[in-house]
Amino acid sequence: QVQLQESGPGLVKPSETLSLTCTVSGAAISKYYWSWIRQPAGKGLEWIGRVYNGGYSYYNPSLQSRVTMSVDTSKNQFSLNLNSVTAADTAVYYCARDSSSSYKEDWFDPWGHGTLVTVSS
Amino acid sequence: QSVLTQPPSASGTPGQRVTMSCSGSSSNIGSNPVNWYQQLPGSAPKLLIYRSNQRPSGVPDRFSGSRSGTSASLAISGLRSDDEADYYCATWDDSLSSRVFGGGTKLTVL
Repeated sequence: QVQLQESGPGLVKPSETLSLTCTVSGAAISKYYWSWIRQPAGKGLEWIGRVYNGGYSYYNPSLQSRVTMSVDTSKNQFSLNLNSVTAADTAVYYCARDSSSSYKEDWFDPWGHGTLVTVSS
Repeated sequence: QSVLTQPPSASGTPGQRVTMSCSGSSSNIGSNPVNWYQQLPGSAPKLLIYRSNQRPSGVPDRFSGSRSGTSASLAISGLRSDDEADYYCATWDDSLSSRVFGGGTKLTVL
């Protein structure tokens, strides 16, 4: 059974970098694509981007200039860095496994439980 | 403002059949399959339907999906109280070059 767990600081100051890690169990991280998705309180879901072992990544164009993702196969983890954060980046951040290498034929399953990140001074 | 439009709310009584819609355009639903996610209160989203009408193992056949033109629908039959949740549609948008979600429909079981 594949399980994902997000971890990282729950509070980040404006203009700083938000850094989160997703630890994967039950699956080899090198075999799949992995995504980050976020959800502001009381609002809908926003896809941030995806990453694959070997340096491949693709980001939502609306966030592309501020996002970096990477994979650490030795720890079976992948990570998210979002720089120059503002209050608008306050959200629950989820990590999830992608079903496919194809953008069009892709769905997210399973998801992590999510971690709340608040941007505030 | 979401690229995919979902009604903010829906409701039904136990045992009833309810449907909820997801409206898009030629660059998203009109060209690509749709996925549906169920988010129970206080929980992470869970995959409910993939490739517009396929159910993952473990999802009851009370849940069904369809896609036609630039719209998609999720139907739930034999409504139960534990179906009360937010439901999100999602697909790829060719114009935005991004995966997009609908704003979600909150289902209330009366």
